[in-house]
Amino acid sequence: GENVEQHPSTLSVQEGDSAVIKCTYSDSASNYFPWYKQELGKGPQLIIDIRSNVGEKKDQRIAVTLNKTAKHFSLHITETQPEDSAVYFCAASPGNQFYFGTGTSLTVIP
Amino acid sequence: GAVVSQHPSWVICKSGTSVKIECRSLDFQATTMFWYRQFPKQSLMLMATSNEGSKATYEQGVEKDKFLINHASLTLSTLTVTSAHPEDSSFYICSASYRVGTDTQYFGPGTRLTVL
Repeated sequence: GENVEQHPSTLSVQEGDSAVIKCTYSDSASNYFPWYKQELGKGPQLIIDIRSNVGEKKDQRIAVTLNKTAKHFSLHITETQPEDSAVYFCAASPGNQFYFGTGTSLTVIP
Repeated sequence: GAVVSQHPSWVICKSGTSVKIECRSLDFQATTMFWYRQFPKQSLMLMATSNEGSKATYEQGVEKDKFLINHASLTLSTLTVTSAHPEDSSFYICSASYRVGTDTQYFGPGTRLTVL
């Protein structure tokens, strides 16, 4: 089955700096890659997603890149703000279910 | 759009009792709903997948007689934890998808279950 690895597990950045979270996957059949933000005690919230026919997608301060050949995808957050502090999960889907990464706890220091 | 609600948001029960958690898609019809369990500081663990009108598909290691899942309509799925024990205490999260297969899952806010 699919195996998703996510790095780093924790990340601290100064407010205004950029944050990058990376994920790798193993199943070449995976064709959908969402990213979720989870705040303490709440459910995950979809922040951006990308499909395998696209290499990059951007939504304001958030961008995701996908390298199908290398089987990795990354989340980029620019101009970070304290409210970006949360746990971020990547996922890969070959069509039947999501396989989640282990999460990255992002702390933005004011 | 694509709002999923869960009820209750938290519940405390005595060991041996059963607890029902509801998951509703408020503004769309969800052909598929998923139930996850999450332990503190860990990732989401898929428990089961349910399609409306069909029996749920449980992941390996998840007891179907203990975690009863019903998906009777396109907007409602329920998870019943039967004869709950302290080790069942966890954060339970549902998600809903428009279509079977590769598509976005919209998550509910989660239900914190504490079994005394």
